[in-house]
Amino acid sequence: AQSVAQPEDQVNVAEGNPLTVKCTYSVSGNPYLFWYVQYPNRGLQFLLKYITGDNLVKGSYGFEAEFNKSQTSFHLKKPSALVSDSALYFCAVRDGGNAGNMLTFGGGTRLMVKP
Amino acid sequence: DGGITQSPKYLFRKEGQNVTLSCEQNLNHDAMYWYRQDPGQGLRLIYYSQIVNDFQKGDIAEGYSVSREKKESFPLTVTSAQKNPTAFYLCASTPYMNTEAFFGQGTRLTVV
Repeated sequence: AQSVAQPEDQVNVAEGNPLTVKCTYSVSGNPYLFWYVQYPNRGLQFLLKYITGDNLVKGSYGFEAEFNKSQTSFHLKKPSALVSDSALYFCAVRDGGNAGNMLTFGGGTRLMVKP
Repeated sequence: DGGITQSPKYLFRKEGQNVTLSCEQNLNHDAMYWYRQDPGQGLRLIYYSQIVNDFQKGDIAEGYSVSREKKESFPLTVTSAQKNPTAFYLCASTPYMNTEAFFGQGTRLTVV
């Protein structure tokens, strides 16, 4: 079975400071990893993904994430946080070696950026 | 504009009633998903479908049913057997395994 863990329910950062939102995963095959953001009462918006290649992937709105195979992690980062980055962030995984197509999400991390 | 449309945005259900949530996509995606989101919590998979006329149970399928008669449509029925249906329901689709999923704007279901 595949799973995703986001160990922090909430992350608080000051505007202008770097931010990190943590994610670890477990799959049998090759991991396909994704980050999404959700604003109140809305659907999820895609930020970035790792399928293969460079371990550091860049995405929308200045976000990036680093894939670490040995630590089975895919942490989301941004060098300088904005108040408008405040939202709920989800990490997700799909097993690239599985013929099935199930996409599993973590429990979400609420990011609060204070002015 | 291509995308995923969920309707209605808000839905109220009396206890003992079945209700159906609509999800339509014009992205020509093969796979479609239904997730449930409870306040302050993550997404839990209810059902997913990889092709027309085929679907699989997710982690919390009890009390729900789906159909996939057309590629673009994947309606979810919340039956009276679902004892705690109040939640935010999200539909998603994806073309291939290595691509991101696209989400609808959600339906908020409340039992009254």
